[in-house]
Amino acid sequence: EPEVTQTPSHQVTQMGQEVILRCVPISNHLYFYWYRQILGQKVEFLVSFYNNEISEKSEIFDDQFSVERPDGSNFTLKIRSTKLEDSAMYFCASRATGSVYGYTFGSGTRLTVV
Amino acid sequence: AQKITQTQPGMFVQEKEAVTLDCTYDTSDPSYGLFWYKQPSSGEMIFLIYQGSYDQQNATEGRYSLNFQKARKSANLVISASQLGDSAMYFCAMREDSSASKIIFGSGTRLSIRP
Repeated sequence: EPEVTQTPSHQVTQMGQEVILRCVPISNHLYFYWYRQILGQKVEFLVSFYNNEISEKSEIFDDQFSVERPDGSNFTLKIRSTKLEDSAMYFCASRATGSVYGYTFGSGTRLTVV
Repeated sequence: AQKITQTQPGMFVQEKEAVTLDCTYDTSDPSYGLFWYKQPSSGEMIFLIYQGSYDQQNATEGRYSLNFQKARKSANLVISASQLGDSAMYFCAMREDSSASKIIFGSGTRLSIRP
């Protein structure tokens, strides 16, 4: 069964450093999403991406965050200057056009900011 | 405003019993979809079941069924014959068709199955 692949599975970074989280969505999917889950809390929407542009973003997704699809297969989330409160599990998801329920989530990247 | 409400932060159930996890939602969009996801301790999000707002029948997937009561805006998950492997966090989620396709999650219910 096709999978959404996220790398790395765990990343530790110093506060103030830039971090890039990588995702390889399912190949025929055209809608991409990033979510985050602070430990023990709810899963929060960050951003959706379609046709090479952001289609919606939440208030969490401020100027410190950016997304990119650099090469037609990868989908990345960049945090420019990490803060302690950015420590969370980050999930990438993708969905095919015309599928109203086929959201496939990756297994997540656990980001720890120290 | 909270759009997805899960009022049970934690539940304990005896193995082999049925369990109902509650979910209520709030939307003015006539077209929407409701989801349930399972998150085991390993952290991944596993899709369980989906119900569209125009679906006439309640969704079922194996031991999972969704008790959809549109007028009450509730979408409870029923797990029949619970198993030890059902111990996990369960999230109810919703997609409003007017909102660029994102799904939003409730706060989750931690289900623990006792042997």
